Amino acid sequence: NAGVTQTPKFQVLKTGQSMTLQCAQDMNHEYMSWYRQDPGMGLRLIHYSVGAGITDQGEVPNGYNVSRSTTEDFPLRLLSAAPSQTSVYFCATRRGVNYGYTFGSGTRLTVV
Amino acid sequence: TQLLEQSPQFLSIQEGENLTVYCNSSSVFSSLQWYRQEPGEGPVLLVTVVTGGEVKKLKRLTFQFGDARKDSSLHITAAQPGDTGLYLCAGAIYSGTYKYIFGTGTRLKVLA
Repeated sequence: NAGVTQTPKFQVLKTGQSMTLQCAQDMNHEYMSWYRQDPGMGLRLIHYSVGAGITDQGEVPNGYNVSRSTTEDFPLRLLSAAPSQTSVYFCATRRGVNYGYTFGSGTRLTVV
Repeated sequence: TQLLEQSPQFLSIQEGENLTVYCNSSSVFSSLQWYRQEPGEGPVLLVTVVTGGEVKKLKRLTFQFGDARKDSSLHITAAQPGDTGLYLCAGAIYSGTYKYIFGTGTRLKVLA
């Protein structure tokens, strides 16, 4: 039982490039979220989904897109990478509003 | 703005000492979670508390939820180097819709 799988683990992008961070869960949870974690800023919500076909913006959505075509997968797309998007990205899933999250191991992204 | 303040921000102690980390908010939580995060990994869920006054124990860790469900504490007895990490409290607040917020974090270092 893998839980939440994120790929890649590390990535370096040039400014302006696009890429997709992959996230897959095998827990059959409806709730999935993407967070970024920066020193001194804590965990900030980028986008979230409450089920297949339903997504919504979080606290810092600009420059990112998501889609949720299946319960299992929730990819995060960077449209045109900027140095301000250098961060550690976490995908997480939970059973419902009053449950805690299971996090993936993260993607460390550097934009140069 | 809903804030979840943790104190202290940093804590460096010797192996065998006891410590308490606090998590405070002006908002009422429908549930509250504690996580531990180690370098290079995602946060790992330790516990969920939902009832005011609830106390839960996980080996040497004791979690308490405030009677008014606005605050929580984490007490570690006889800390060990393996307890080193970033401790995060987080919880769900309802104000029209549910919002999940993370605390500011407490970075603990236990010296052997």
